[in-house]
Amino acid sequence: GEDVEQSLFLSVREGDSSVINCTYTDSSSTYLYWYKQEPGAGLQLLTYIFSNMDMKQDQRLTVLLNKKDKHLSLRIADTQTGDSAIYFCAESENYGGSQGNLIFGKGTKLSVKP
Amino acid sequence: DAGITQSPRHKVTETGTPVTLRCHQTENHRYMYWYRQDPGHGLRLIHYSYGVKDTDKGEVSDGYSVSRSKTEDFLLTLESATSSQTSVYFCAISETSGYQYFGPGTRLTVT
Repeated sequence: GEDVEQSLFLSVREGDSSVINCTYTDSSSTYLYWYKQEPGAGLQLLTYIFSNMDMKQDQRLTVLLNKKDKHLSLRIADTQTGDSAIYFCAESENYGGSQGNLIFGKGTKLSVKP
Repeated sequence: DAGITQSPRHKVTETGTPVTLRCHQTENHRYMYWYRQDPGHGLRLIHYSYGVKDTDKGEVSDGYSVSRSKTEDFLLTLESATSSQTSVYFCAISETSGYQYFGPGTRLTVT
C-alpha cells in the first residue's frame, strides 16, 4: 500500500532556511500536501502541489517535487520561532484518476532556536 | 478558518463505557473524516463519509462506528471504550476528496 516517510526531527537557528523532506510511494498521486500543526491545535493546510509541477513558491515557502525519485520537500526561508511546529507531508490516493483519501507521514517536528 | 467544531474538546471516561464525539461543519462540504493521532503513528484514518448516510471504513476502524444523518454532523462512537483508544481525535472536511480542513481536535482519555 501507499506509504509516506519523513524524518522525525529538524532543528535550525532563527533566520536560517529549513528544509523538510518527504518520500512517497504512490507514483499516481495527483496532489501532494504540506500541513502544519502547532501545539494543541489541528492541522492547517500550508500548501499543495499538483503532480505535473516541479516547484511551487508561496512567500517564504517553496515546494519542490521530484516525481522520478518520489521526493517532496518544503523549504521555509528566514525561519522564525513561530514556524516551530510539526509538519506533515500527505499524498492523495488515486482511484482510476479520481482523488481518494489522504495518506499522511508521521510528521517532522521543527524546532527553531533563537 | 473552515467552520469546523468538535465536541467535547476534552473527555475522560472509564473502560467499557460508550463515548460519542461530534463533528459539526458550517461549510456544506460533502466529505467528512475522523482521524486519530498517536505518538509514533502520525494521523490514521478511522472512518469517512462521502455524503449523508454514506460512510466507509478507514485504516483503523475496529472498535469505532460512525453516523451521518445530516450534511453538517458526523458522529464517531466508541461502543465500549478501551485504554488503547486513548488518543487525540481529529475531524476533517473537504469539498472534493482532495485537500482537507481540520477541526481543533478532541483529547480522549480512557482510564
